[in-house]
Amino acid sequence: DTAVSQTPKYLVTQMGNDKSIKCEQNLGHDTMYWYKQDSKKFLKIMFSYNNKELIINETVPNRFSPKSPDKAHLNLHINSLELGDSAVYFCASSQVGGTGGWTEAFFGQGTRLTVV
Amino acid sequence: GENVGLHLPTLSVQEGDNSIINCAYSNSASDYFIWYKQESGKGPQFIIDIRSNMDKRQGQRVTVLLNKTVKHLSLQIAATQPGDSAVYFCAEARQGAQKLVFGQGTRLTINP
Repeated sequence: DTAVSQTPKYLVTQMGNDKSIKCEQNLGHDTMYWYKQDSKKFLKIMFSYNNKELIINETVPNRFSPKSPDKAHLNLHINSLELGDSAVYFCASSQVGGTGGWTEAFFGQGTRLTVV
Repeated sequence: GENVGLHLPTLSVQEGDNSIINCAYSNSASDYFIWYKQESGKGPQFIIDIRSNMDKRQGQRVTVLLNKTVKHLSLQIAATQPGDSAVYFCAEARQGAQKLVFGQGTRLTINP
């Protein structure tokens, strides 16, 4: 059973196009994330959602619009794609809070976005 | 500001030797630390975690050490195997923060 699944795995598109990446988790977690990994492998948080509510937006351009229809899904829509958007995007989920505090975040397999 | 960094971007070790990957963090409010392994073409995979009320935690062939005095975290891998070749990340979080902050990553290469 896949815990965090995202589609598509690869996405090649032209500048100016609009694209979406979908993410689903079956772990029952309350919190979901989008991370961006650049060519140097650096992982940076983009968005954090808790129970469908946006918690963190790390100064991401408003061309990026996450949407969480329910707490098991967090999709990422990107408008007017630019060359600099080329990266690997990871969805993740975790159970945060409670008396136990943080537990590990589970990551999807990533979506490699190439803008040409 | 928050910063989780690594001393070495690459590490090459002989198969069977022990590996030590280091990580420095600057946020003294961090109370949860975690190590991930990322193989080529895959997402980060959980290895081991540790909370700030501990200074050592052991798993299968891995040990994480936490030194809060100098804000230092390390991952020790015993008897490294070819399958240990990957990029390793440390990450930190603090109670109430809804995000993990990742370090730069260290590429571990195992020589036969």
